Amino acid sequence: AQSVTQLGSHVSVSEGALVLLRCNYSSSVPPYLFWYVQYPNQGLQLLLKYTSAATLVKGINGFEAEFKKSETSFHLTKPSAHMSDAAEYFCAVSVSGSARQLTFGSGTQLTVLP
Amino acid sequence: NAGVTQTPKFRILKIGQSMTLQCAQDMNHNYMYWYRQDPGMGLKLIYYSVGAGITDKGEVPNGYNVSRSTTEDFPLRLELAAPSQTSVYFCASLTSSGANVLTFGAGSRLTVL
Repeated sequence: AQSVTQLGSHVSVSEGALVLLRCNYSSSVPPYLFWYVQYPNQGLQLLLKYTSAATLVKGINGFEAEFKKSETSFHLTKPSAHMSDAAEYFCAVSVSGSARQLTFGSGTQLTVLP
Repeated sequence: NAGVTQTPKFRILKIGQSMTLQCAQDMNHNYMYWYRQDPGMGLKLIYYSVGAGITDKGEVPNGYNVSRSTTEDFPLRLELAAPSQTSVYFCASLTSSGANVLTFGAGSRLTVL
């Protein structure tokens, strides 16, 4: 079975500062990894995904994540935070042959301070 | 394309009442899912379906039922509502090809009093 741990349920950064949201996964087989974003009162939207191609994955809105197998991590970063980045972010993992089920982390609420 | 459509957006139920949350997708996706979202808990899978006529339990199925009579529709039935079912419910779908990217509905907020 796969699982995901997101470190830090709340993260605050100043506008223009680096954003780093942490995600560690557990999987017995090569995983697919995802970051989703949820704005208030909306559904989840895909930010980026890792599917065993390049280990550095670029997504929308300037976000990127690096797959590190040795650390079982898939941390999300953005060089310069913008006020519009304030949202909840979810890391998720799935493996092939599991009816495409995604297992989600508990989420990290990002606050961007002016 | 409408994507994934959920109704209703909001509903208040009394303990013991029943209701159905509707979910429809127009993308011809084979896979459909129901998740519930509770604060600080992420999303938990309730039920899923890999095609019309096929459904299976997820992580938290107790108190819920589903059916999948068509590719497009995947309703979630709550029988004998309990306060523990107060949550935001999300329906999602994905195609059988590609890299497991879910398309989510906007959510249905249910309160059981």
